[in-house]
Amino acid sequence: NAGVMQNPRHLVRRRGQEARLRCSPMKGHSHVYWYRQLPEEGLKFMVYLQKENIIDESGMPKERFSAEFPKEGPSILRIQQVVRGDSAAYFCASSQGQVRTEAFFGQGTRLTVV
Amino acid sequence: AQSVTQPDIHITVSEGASLELRCNYSYGATPYLFWYVQSPGQGLQLLLKYFSGDTLVQGIKGFEAEFKRSQSSFNLRKPSVHWSDAAEYFCAVGPPNTGNQFYFGTGTSLTVIP
Repeated sequence: NAGVMQNPRHLVRRRGQEARLRCSPMKGHSHVYWYRQLPEEGLKFMVYLQKENIIDESGMPKERFSAEFPKEGPSILRIQQVVRGDSAAYFCASSQGQVRTEAFFGQGTRLTVV
Repeated sequence: AQSVTQPDIHITVSEGASLELRCNYSYGATPYLFWYVQSPGQGLQLLLKYFSGDTLVQGIKGFEAEFKRSQSSFNLRKPSVHWSDAAEYFCAVGPPNTGNQFYFGTGTSLTVIP
């Protein structure tokens, strides 16, 4: 059973371009969480999705950021018109259920905006 | 507001020595509590968690943590550190009964010297 798979592992974008980060949860997991880790900081919760639904997006910036978790395929975190401040490591986690179930983290995507 | 404080940014211990990493939280109710470990370039691995019940919890790799409600603390301990324990350690709190939307501390970097 493969773990949480994130791709790409490293992504370089110029200012103004779009970044698409993919997360394939563990088999059997229908809950996905996205976190952002800025340099020298802890992880910050961004969004929680369950298949085809956004459950909690309280940590998402109001503009340029969006997330989806379609019925088929991976979860996508999309950042439009990237700026230097978007440079960070983005981690995805998945869990089988909502409550009292362990969240497994992927290895992250390191986004660099140049 | 919810917050997690890890007062020690960096700790250095000798191999075989005991270890304690501090974590204090501020939360409206008793949250779920977690410790994660992150090796360089890797995702996060769950060491242990506390939901309720016995306030001393055992985790993987010989780690344990104690929940002290009166001090709003959840300190991580290990009686004898191994060189392979060198990593970044994150304390996290999560809202009870609503999923894995965690608040993370800023992390404690552990160096182990021979």
